[in-house]
Amino acid sequence: ETGVTQTPRHLVMGMTNKKSLKCEQHLGHNAMYWYKQSAKKPLELMFVYSLEERVENNSVPSRFSPECPNSSHLFLHLHTLQPEDSALYLCASSHKRGGRETQYFGPGTRLLVL
Amino acid sequence: AQSVAQPEDQVNVAEGNPLTVKCTYSVSGNPYLFWYVQYPNRGLQFLLKYITGDNLVKGSYGFEAEFNKSQTSFHLKKPSALVSDSALYFCAVSLQGGHRGSTLGRLYFGRGTQLTVWP
Repeated sequence: ETGVTQTPRHLVMGMTNKKSLKCEQHLGHNAMYWYKQSAKKPLELMFVYSLEERVENNSVPSRFSPECPNSSHLFLHLHTLQPEDSALYLCASSHKRGGRETQYFGPGTRLLVL
Repeated sequence: AQSVAQPEDQVNVAEGNPLTVKCTYSVSGNPYLFWYVQYPNRGLQFLLKYITGDNLVKGSYGFEAEFNKSQTSFHLKKPSALVSDSALYFCAVSLQGGHRGSTLGRLYFGRGTQLTVWP
């Protein structure tokens, strides 16, 4: 185990539902990330978070809304999703020291939007 | 723009033979380079990284990678493959100075290479 946990591991939702993905890290890190992994595509960074900064990919639709209440927890709130949002959503964490720090990944949430 | 290329979607090797998974990158600045492995239904697991210093980096499970600045490559290698090495391998790059000049890092990933080692 990497010290990063994600719940739920699998989620099926309709396009009108609202759900949230949860990520928790036990590594003492101060930066957390959401990535989207779709088949045949590179991992796509959605959001980068620390308590002081939030950096986001401007191409991420507003139906994805992150929340970072403290340095150990990160949420991804989902609403009115589309079938093309079906993917594996990966959370990662690292120390906040520029690009040299290793990011450690959770096991992911497999999302299916019907 | 930063990018990573993994030119082979699949690599097949026999157990006991050496393996190479190729990676090239394009960045505006000095890179940090990473290799991750993903087993089925699992997240990404860190293998090794190049930050500075010796161009040959040794990592987990007997893997190593060589940073070649002139060829902008960071190929992953292992002298003797195991069936248990079969997985999806990702090369990634980040920049010194972090993401958009902040202290937060951003990894740019390749599309991944499926490694299959047969008995």
